[in-house]
Amino acid sequence: QKEVEQNSGPLSVPEGAIASLNCTYSDRGSQSFFWYRQYSGKSPELIMSIYSNGDKEDGRFTAQLNKASQYVSLLIRDSQPSDSATYLCAVRGTGNQFYFGTGTSLTVIP
Amino acid sequence: DAGVIQSPRHEVTEMGQEVTLRCKPISGHNSLFWYRQTMMRGLELLIYFNNNVPIDDSGMPEDRFSAKMPNASFSTLKIQPSEPRDSAVYFCASSLRRNPNTEAFFGQGTRLTVV
Repeated sequence: QKEVEQNSGPLSVPEGAIASLNCTYSDRGSQSFFWYRQYSGKSPELIMSIYSNGDKEDGRFTAQLNKASQYVSLLIRDSQPSDSATYLCAVRGTGNQFYFGTGTSLTVIP
Repeated sequence: DAGVIQSPRHEVTEMGQEVTLRCKPISGHNSLFWYRQTMMRGLELLIYFNNNVPIDDSGMPEDRFSAKMPNASFSTLKIQPSEPRDSAVYFCASSLRRNPNTEAFFGQGTRLTVV
């Protein structure tokens, strides 16, 4: 079993819509959770981090964490074509390492 | 800060040759990670170091792969001998170990092609 699972997509949404990305993890001891965005040919860059159960909002992005269900999600409101990228869910394990999901490819259609 | 620096950015080599990838972490970071990214398998953790000490190398695919971190500002990932299936993008990342809420910062990656 992989440590972090994501729906691989691809996911397509029209411009202005809400994009919803989901992730589950296997290590119950994990405390830190991250969403990275990766444009084609580029390296992953952090867009959101979350450590406590509930929602965390930053501009058009909202991260949601449910530790009991071992579930993390990312909502992107008012999606823009520039949001088209691969989104990687990452979990910081109890050994301090970072495990990544395989990513969800998002395309925002103008 | 210049960020995580990797070299070379691109490497093309023939099967059987030795390949060495290099990484300079962000100054002050004491955790360093090597990842391999392919379309099929995504971003795989190969090995990570805390305070220059290898902690977990269970992700290293074969004995052909080795990694070292001789000091806090330099690490290498070596493949010897290289094979076509090693072709991938290799990323180095660094982080602060003492703060569990800090993220991993990535270098620009090395695109390796083994022909």
